[in-house]
Amino acid sequence: SAVISQKPSRDICQRGTSLTIQCQVDSQVTMMFWYRQQPGQSLTLIATANQGSEATYESGFVIDKFPISRPNLTFSTLTVSNLSPEDSSIYLCSVISGSEQYFGPGTRLTVT
Amino acid sequence: GENVEQHPSTLSVQEGDSAVIKCTYSDSASNYFPWYKQELGKRPQLIIDIRSNVGEKKDQRIAVTLNKTAKHFSLHITETQPEDSAVYFCAASIDTGRRALTFGSGTRLQVQP
Repeated sequence: SAVISQKPSRDICQRGTSLTIQCQVDSQVTMMFWYRQQPGQSLTLIATANQGSEATYESGFVIDKFPISRPNLTFSTLTVSNLSPEDSSIYLCSVISGSEQYFGPGTRLTVT
Repeated sequence: GENVEQHPSTLSVQEGDSAVIKCTYSDSASNYFPWYKQELGKRPQLIIDIRSNVGEKKDQRIAVTLNKTAKHFSLHITETQPEDSAVYFCAASIDTGRRALTFGSGTRLQVQP
């Protein structure tokens, strides 16, 4: 299995600002995924990040709002830009290790 | 794209009873079906998965069944215990290429002692 860490674990941000979330994995992985989990809801895929190429975004998510970096095979960042209260969610990174998909602990974002 | 529906949204059982959660999927190309358990404030944890070349898989008190023709799969928990109380999510993906998961809406299971 993969050990995944995220920073920060939680943050409270003001409307209009941005938050960058870091995801670190203890082994090299080809693909990293970013999910959003709104309060009391299921997980929704934001984008898939491959090292050395642009991220692939799901319908309803755009690069200007959720820019992603993937500088190497163990690290990725997700930025949530121009924050609004509707962005208050848990953001989770995820990787495939072996044949299974594992999740990071999540970053709880509250926008005031 | 893939659409996964999950039922019921909440399920309350007595300790020792069985619990069954059902999911349907829309994309016939999907061939990987994991189940995740998420306790309050924690990350989703994989508890069991099944691939389309298998109809049933069991791991102690947990089993998953898959009907590819009908495009549905189910999670069965026997002899439930209070620590089984959590939210359970089913998911589906194509097990090659991007392999991104599409999740069901979740089932909140409460096991009454």
